Amino acid sequence: ILNVEQSPQSLHVQEGDSTNFTCSFPSSNFYALHWYRWETAKSPEALFVMTLNGDEKKKGRISATLNTKEGYSYLYIKGSQPEDSATYLCASYNNAGNMLTFGGGTRLMVKP
Amino acid sequence: ETGVTQSPTHLIKTRGQQVTLRCSSQSGHNTVSWYQQALGQGPQFIFQYYREEENGRGNFPPRFSGLQFPNYSSELNVNALELDDSALYLCASSLEGPYGYTFGSGTRLTVV
Repeated sequence: ILNVEQSPQSLHVQEGDSTNFTCSFPSSNFYALHWYRWETAKSPEALFVMTLNGDEKKKGRISATLNTKEGYSYLYIKGSQPEDSATYLCASYNNAGNMLTFGGGTRLMVKP
Repeated sequence: ETGVTQSPTHLIKTRGQQVTLRCSSQSGHNTVSWYQQALGQGPQFIFQYYREEENGRGNFPPRFSGLQFPNYSSELNVNALELDDSALYLCASSLEGPYGYTFGSGTRLTVV
C-alpha cells in the first residue's frame, strides 16, 4: 500500500445500526494513526491517535483498532445516531516526513 | 485555551492573482501545518513550519510559500493562482511530532 485509503467512500445507515469503516496505510516508517470526525463547515475534531500494534481506543460509542503489521485500522460506531453524521478521516503519520497523510474519508449519513 | 482561527473563511480570486491566507495557532503550540483539500479528496499536505522555519514540504510548486511569526501564527501565500488552486485550505497547529493536532475550520478559495 502506497497511500492511505479509506472504505467505503460513503455509507447510509438507520438510527440504531452499528457500523464500521476501514483505513489502510503504508506500514513502512509508520509512527501514528489519527482518526478525525469532520462535520460540514466545522473543524476536523480529533477522535483518536494510536501508535502501537493491537491498540484499541474507545470514546463513548466510538472505538478504533490498529494493526501496524498489516497496515489497517477499523473505526466502529455502536448504535449510530443522527448526530454521528459526518465525514470520518484517518491519517497516517510517518517518521520520514513530519506530516499527516490523509485518506479520502468516509462520509456517514445516519437516518432517523 | 484558544483554538485555531483561519481567515478569511471564503475568498474569490481571479486566475493569475496572488492570495494570502492566515492562521492563528492554539496557545502553547509551536508548529503549524497547511493542507489543501480539493473537492472529493482528502486533505493534501502543503508544508509545515516549526519555530519560524519550514520543517517539511509536500508535492506543491514553489508558488506556494509560507511564513510563521514569533507568536507561531502563520500565513500561506499562493502566487499566480490557477483554477486548480480552488480548494479548502486547512491549517493545524501542534507541538512538534505526531500528537495533538488542532485544526481550523478552513478557508474556501475559489479561483475564477
